[in-house]
Amino acid sequence: SYVLTQPPSVALAPGKTARITCGGNIGGRSVHWYQQKPGQAPALVIYYDGDRPSGIPERFSGSNSGDTATLTISRVEAGDEADYYCQLWDSSNELYVFGTGTKVTVL
Amino acid sequence: QMQLQESGPGLVKPPETLSLTCTVSGGSISNILYFWAWIRQPPGEGLEWIGSMYYSGSTFYNPSLKSRVSISGDTSKNQFSLKLTSVTAADTAIYFCARHGGHVAAQLDSWGQGTLVTVSS
Repeated sequence: SYVLTQPPSVALAPGKTARITCGGNIGGRSVHWYQQKPGQAPALVIYYDGDRPSGIPERFSGSNSGDTATLTISRVEAGDEADYYCQLWDSSNELYVFGTGTKVTVL
Repeated sequence: QMQLQESGPGLVKPPETLSLTCTVSGGSISNILYFWAWIRQPPGEGLEWIGSMYYSGSTFYNPSLKSRVSISGDTSKNQFSLKLTSVTAADTAIYFCARHGGHVAAQLDSWGQGTLVTVSS
């Protein structure tokens, strides 16, 4: 079945740019991204590869090319510390698949 | 603004049935624009989709759980429910209910706060 692989962790200083990849035979499928802070439910930050829900800062952007989707967080802030998950719908197996998750640490 | 709230026992004995309910406010589960989903997260681990339902009664389940899962809705109470049979310690997790958009591939755009269910004798 599908496996969406993400780097386990990303650590960077405030003001830098975080790029979180999501790979694994994505093959043109649309990818959504979620942010989960400790003790909270996940929250949608990017949908359909690059669209932002209302209230999500423009610092959050997404792209999808070939077999890799990328979440980019520009000018990282302390409040961006969280786990981030990619997700897509595997129509062949009728299955929602989540990525392995990436912990973003702001140094 | 839509809100979802999970409820149910926090402790279930193996091999009993886990039963949870999600109460929706600020919108109707009969709205044709949305699907309704259950997702779980074992402590310290990642997210796993359990299944989704549509107001019409159509359901989609994770193949790995399909033999044990049932999701249904009660439009009179604006609730939808999860039943997971024959639970084991591996089913210990935070269980979230969520809404997703107009078709089954759409994003999960509203989530409940989650409820921890521990499976232990």
